[in-house]
Formats: sequence, C-alpha cells, structure tokens
Amino acid sequence: AQTVTQSQPEMSVQEAETVTLSCTYDTSESDYYLFWYKQPPSRQMILVIRQEAYKQQNATENRFSVNFQKAAKSFSLKISDSQLGDAAMYFCAYRISTSGTYKYIFGTGTRLKVLA
Amino acid sequence: NAGVMQNPRHLVRRRGQEARLRCSPMKGHSHVYWYRQLPEEGLKFMVYLQKENIIDESGMPKERFSAEFPKEGPSILRIQQVVRGDSAAYFCASSQMRDTNYGYTFGSGTRLTVV
Repeated sequence: AQTVTQSQPEMSVQEAETVTLSCTYDTSESDYYLFWYKQPPSRQMILVIRQEAYKQQNATENRFSVNFQKAAKSFSLKISDSQLGDAAMYFCAYRISTSGTYKYIFGTGTRLKVLA
Repeated sequence: NAGVMQNPRHLVRRRGQEARLRCSPMKGHSHVYWYRQLPEEGLKFMVYLQKENIIDESGMPKERFSAEFPKEGPSILRIQQVVRGDSAAYFCASSQMRDTNYGYTFGSGTRLTVV
C-alpha cells in the first residue's frame, strides 16, 4: 500500500534562512506525481509545488524547490530566504490512481515556525 | 473566479444531530472530492463525485455518511446521528477533469465540532 511519511512534526527556521522539510513515500509504481501543500492558520490548502516522477529535474517555484530522490523514495521541500508568511503546516502528498479515481495520500504534516 | 466555496466554515452539532456540509466547486469544474482531516493528521480521501454520480466512495464510513452532487446546486456531505469521533475538518476539492496532474483546488474546509 502507498504510504507517505513526514518524520518531522515541527521545524523552526530563522527569517531569511533556509529550511528543508522531509518526506518519504512507499510505492511500487514507476510513474506518479508528488505534491507539497501548505496549510496556514486559515486552513486553506495551497499547492506549493509538484513533481512528476518520470522527470529527472527537481521542480522549482521561486523560493521553493524539491530534492526528489526516486530510488530512495524521498521528496524533500527546501524553502529559501524564509519569510514570516511561510509559517504553516506543510503536507507532502502522493497521487494514486485506483479504479480510475485519482486521489491523494497525505502525510501527517510538518508545522513550520518562522522566527523573526 | 471565486474558487471552491465551502460553508459553513464552522459547525457545531450535538451528538445525534445531523450535519450538512456544502461545497460549491469552481466555475466549470464538474469533479468534486471530499477529504477529512482529523486533529493532528493529514487529509484522508472520502468520496469522489461527478455531477449526479458517485464515482468512488471507498473512503466513506459505511454508516451515517452520504454525499451527493446534484445537477444543480452544491455538493452536500451529510452525516447523520453525529458522534464525537466525527469532529474534524472536512475539505472539498474540485477539478475540471478527472485526471488532473496539477493538483486539486481545495476549499477552506468546514470544521465540525460535535458536543
């Protein structure tokens, strides 16, 4: 069964510094998609970045980038130049397809605190 | 485009009452998904609907929970005879197509508290 593991319940980073959030997953598929979502106190789930497994190149979106290690089944999120507005819960998610339905398996999340 | 709209934002119910959660997908989106987030956990899939059809309800509890997405109006998640364990945040997401590689658009969720 596919699982997503986020082993860091909470992380802290100084403003303007860099932080990396870890995520590992388990799958027997060769082609799949991985996502990072941000959930601020407003509860809104905001897509931060996505990665296609068949692409070697790590995805990048402005200050956000991933380190995708397919063989190790690792998908970490790096936030550079951290800002106070980055403080939130971050969820790693794996998209699966079962019987024609595309659904997400989410990790338990990492709470990121940004210190001024 | 107003995004995915969920209401109410907060809902308090006494044990045994019914809870009705509403979700209006983004304009042009005909695929709706419901997820539940228990405290300190990630979101878990409940059900996938298209207009007037339930496509996949494999994540729905077998009893007391039902969902619909009528031809007109919002999608409704209904929980009958609520119990304390139903307290959670319920999220709706929508997409234009069944197979979207770009991630869903989520609403802000409804936080259900059962007292």
